[in-house]
Formats: sequence, structure tokens, C-alpha cells
Amino acid sequence: SQQGEEDPQALSIQEGENATMNCSYKTSINNLQWYRQNSGRGLVHLILIRSNEREKHSGRLRVTLDTSKKSSSLLITASRAADTASYFCATDFKAAGNKLTFGGGTRVLVKP
Amino acid sequence: NAGVTQTPKFRVLKTGQSMTLLCAQDMNHEYMYWYRQDPGMGLRLIHYSVGEGTTAKGEVPDGYNVSRLKKQNFLLGLESAAPSQTSVYFCASTDGPLPQHFGDGTRLSIL
Repeated sequence: SQQGEEDPQALSIQEGENATMNCSYKTSINNLQWYRQNSGRGLVHLILIRSNEREKHSGRLRVTLDTSKKSSSLLITASRAADTASYFCATDFKAAGNKLTFGGGTRVLVKP
Repeated sequence: NAGVTQTPKFRVLKTGQSMTLLCAQDMNHEYMYWYRQDPGMGLRLIHYSVGEGTTAKGEVPDGYNVSRLKKQNFLLGLESAAPSQTSVYFCASTDGPLPQHFGDGTRLSIL
């Protein structure tokens, strides 16, 4: 079963608006990452937040992590049409192989 | 710098046929992974490798085999393809710590 569950499953916004998506997970983690997937392409790493961090920024991206609630959120500010993609959270545990467990993803459509 | 390259990009098979998907990385990464992605879902780990000559099972290994004879290559084999294996297959690599670097996928249809 998947570790992460993402909400919403789909999101449609106008260019310039902010997009927020959430990820919940079930067990304790080492790190949580967010990836973007453009249609027909592989996943691209966006940002990693460690279990002892609460917030992280990268350009227009802001990620928060609440380990007490086992949840994370990804905020994309001032969205652009090029942000149209699917976004996935992925978690890893203190286990061999740097294995990741992915959520089901949020499909984001940014309308120009 | 190509990163992670997957071949082929598309393939159609008949039930019962066999095939091998090739993943090659030029970043000298130790860890390599094979995932499958089904419509509307995230990625599920099939098999992975923590170094040359090693392989291990992931979440959904049944019906697949893998080999890592060279550090840069990770092969995924389907011995007797089934319609349930119709999916998009992604390979990824990392040198630890994270993140993982992904190829663009192989779209496999089994009729």
C-alpha cells in the first residue's frame, strides 16, 4: 500500500494564483520529498525536507512538515502555465537502499 | 550529460512474450531502482539495487526479474508478459543521500 496520500487529487487555478497541495503519511520518516512530473516525462526532484525541519523554501516553492500530524504541504506561489504538472510526495525510512514510497499525486492545471 | 536513459521508449507485446528493459546511468550512482506507474497512481517499487552485482525486491516484484552486472546498467525482465503488466516503467538512480534521478519512462502495452 502507498505510504503517502495526497490531497486534492486535482487542482485547477488561474495563472498568478497560489497552489497548495497536501501529503499525509502513515509511519515515521527520515525525509520527505516533492517531485514534479510533466506529461509523458519522468519525475523531477523539487525539494527535500528532513524530519527535524519544519519549513523549507526554494524559489516559489514552500514546503512545510508536521511530524506530529504526519503531514506535509507544498505551496507554489504566483503560479505559471509551466507549473502545470503532477506533483508527488515521497517518503523514506531508516532502511537500506534509500527506498522511496510515493503518494498518488496531485494533478495541477494552471490556466493562462 | 545524459543522466538516466531508458530503452525502449515504447513497446507492445503479446501475452506470454518476454522482453528486457534497459536502464543506463552515467552519474556513477550506486543505487538504482525500477518502478511502475499505473494511471492516476504514484510509483510503486518493483526491484532495486544498492550496488553492482546486488538486487533486492521492492513492493511489487512478482513477474519481474532484474540484473545489475555493470554499475551503470540495471535491466528489468519480463519472462512471460501478462496484461496486468501494462504500465509505464521508470528507472531511477541515486548516490545516496537522496534525491533520485529519473529516466523518461518506457510505455509498455501487453495485449
